[in-house]
Amino acid sequence: EVKLQQSGDELVRPGASVKISCKASGYTFTNYAMYWVKQSPGQGLEWIGTIIPLIDTTSYNQKFKGKATLTADKSSNTAYMELSRLTSEDSAVYYCARRDVGKADYWGQGVMVTVSS
Amino acid sequence: DIQMTQSPASLSASLGETVSIECLASEGISNDLAWYQQKSGKSPQLLIYAASRLQDGVPSRFSGSGSGTRYSLKISGMQPEDEADYFCQQSYKYPLTFGSGTKLEIK
Repeated sequence: EVKLQQSGDELVRPGASVKISCKASGYTFTNYAMYWVKQSPGQGLEWIGTIIPLIDTTSYNQKFKGKATLTADKSSNTAYMELSRLTSEDSAVYYCARRDVGKADYWGQGVMVTVSS
Repeated sequence: DIQMTQSPASLSASLGETVSIECLASEGISNDLAWYQQKSGKSPQLLIYAASRLQDGVPSRFSGSGSGTRYSLKISGMQPEDEADYFCQQSYKYPLTFGSGTKLEIK
């Protein structure tokens, strides 16, 4: 069974950074890319970027360049997203999702990041 | 960026009714379109990919169609468990973009 297990919800101070994890199981981690998606409260979905773990290649939405950094650890089948210089605009739920030929076929449960002093 | 204009923003339907949701892309996306369902408090779930292909395990009352810039999702016979938000997403060109969503409720 394919599963993407994300880390827990985060409460962080403005200006700080946070690193979210997404541990994959039930498939060969390096055979698929991973999407990261933002969902702001009551809002729609935004694609942040994609990482291809096999070759450590990333693609970013221009809007999130400098804000998000995607990495992957092949030894632990885990993808990571670090968000830096957090502001209230970054408060949202963040999802990882497995990419399979233009579709996100499995999603993590989401991590709620709350930026507050 | 490719803009995905989704309509309607909200919709209410009776049980057994057939409903349709549309997405209009700002340019042709060559059927690189997926539809997702998101129930309250849950992650999105893939329903349809490549505009019309049903994801494994998804009930056959869901179907997708369209070409070029216009795409639609149809639910043939609304069920209680279909109450959710629905999103389209294009994967034709980076950045990937989503429609703004349709809230589907039971009447």
